[in-house]
Amino acid sequence: ELKVEQNPLFLSMQEGKNYTIYCNYSTTSDRLYWYRQDPGKSLESLFVLLSNGAVKQEGRLMASLDTKARLSTLHITAAVHDLSATYFCAVDHSGGGADGLTFGKGTHLIIQP
Amino acid sequence: NAGVMQNPRHLVRRRGQEARLRCSPMKGHSHVYWYRQLPEEGLKFMVYLQKENIIDESGMPKERFSAEFPKEGPSILRIQQVVRGDSAAYFCASSPQGASYNEQFFGPGTRLTVL
Repeated sequence: ELKVEQNPLFLSMQEGKNYTIYCNYSTTSDRLYWYRQDPGKSLESLFVLLSNGAVKQEGRLMASLDTKARLSTLHITAAVHDLSATYFCAVDHSGGGADGLTFGKGTHLIIQP
Repeated sequence: NAGVMQNPRHLVRRRGQEARLRCSPMKGHSHVYWYRQLPEEGLKFMVYLQKENIIDESGMPKERFSAEFPKEGPSILRIQQVVRGDSAAYFCASSPQGASYNEQFFGPGTRLTVL
């Protein structure tokens, strides 16, 4: 059974600081997804990582994937309040084509002024 | 281009009633997925459907839950004889056929409350 673990699950940080969220998964997969969810809202796709060593950046967020270590990171640079949300990583273990995603429990991020 | 649509957005049922949740995928998408989210939890995969076919229902409870995606019309997730433990947010996602990777686009969700 594929397991996806995120840490930390809760993170309170101040504006302007840097931090990293970690996502470990238990079986071989080359495809990892990061989503953002605001309270009471749906999930917004942030990044799609498709191969070992993939790195993607959007604004203050940068995601990377190490398939050998089965680890993805989401790095936040100089955090601002608008980034407060819950961040989920999800893994696709189908090896190709479409399949259900397995999600981590999410990291609740609060950025304080 | 409208996104994934779900209705109703909020649904209240009493124990023992039936709940029907609807999902219309994004235009051009033929894969539909249903997920359940309990409070303070991640999403749990329930079922994956294509038109008129259930591809993977490994996450569906064996009893009371069913799903369909007919040739015409939205996908339906049906919960019979609801119990309080069914209270959750139910999200539908869609992805296009033939995509080389599995990026899924989520609807706004249906929040089911069982009294």
